[in-house]
Amino acid sequence: DTAVSQTPKYLVTQMGNDKSIKCEQNLGHDTMYWYKQDSKKFLKIMFSYNNKELIINETVPNRFSPKSPDKAHLNLHINSLELGDSAVYFCASSQGTGSYNEQFFGPGTRLTVL
Amino acid sequence: AQSVTQLGSHVSVSEGALVLLRCNYSSSVPPYLFWYVQYPNQGLQLLLKYTSAATLVKGINGFEAEFKKSETSFHLTKPSAHMSDAAEYFCAVSNYGGATNKLIFGTGTLLAVQP
Repeated sequence: DTAVSQTPKYLVTQMGNDKSIKCEQNLGHDTMYWYKQDSKKFLKIMFSYNNKELIINETVPNRFSPKSPDKAHLNLHINSLELGDSAVYFCASSQGTGSYNEQFFGPGTRLTVL
Repeated sequence: AQSVTQLGSHVSVSEGALVLLRCNYSSSVPPYLFWYVQYPNQGLQLLLKYTSAATLVKGINGFEAEFKKSETSFHLTKPSAHMSDAAEYFCAVSNYGGATNKLIFGTGTLLAVQP
């Protein structure tokens, strides 16, 4: 069973389009995250939800809008896609918001904006 | 602000040789420190973590790391490299007692293992 899954795995789209990435975890965790990994492999947190409540919102363009319909799901919607949005987006989850908690990562969604 | 510096974006070792990947952190509060591994086209997997207990931490796949406060370091080692260890390794820091689990990652070190 896949612990943290993401769909789609690859996403190729044109500039200006709107797209969504979905994440689901079956670990029973209450906290989920979105990270962005750029072309130089640098990872940066974007958002975090705890029990469906937004708790981390980094400096991210408001074209990015996360939504957590329940504790097991966290989606990321991106409006008006730009070339600079091309990256790998990782979803992660943890039990609780404690700084010592291990985060479990999904396989990533590679977004390419043409 | 917290940060992590990984010295050496690429490290190459021979199979059977010692693996040493360097990580130095900056934190005004006691840190929690993590090493994650990323295999090609996969997500990140936790290797080990330091959470203020023992300073020498043992992880999966024979890796270990030692927390040295005086040197602000958390270097990752493995006595004998295997071909399967070839991957990208990330050091990360998270603040002690923080209300949110915000990981700050280093820029990664790509480990190549030569036969």
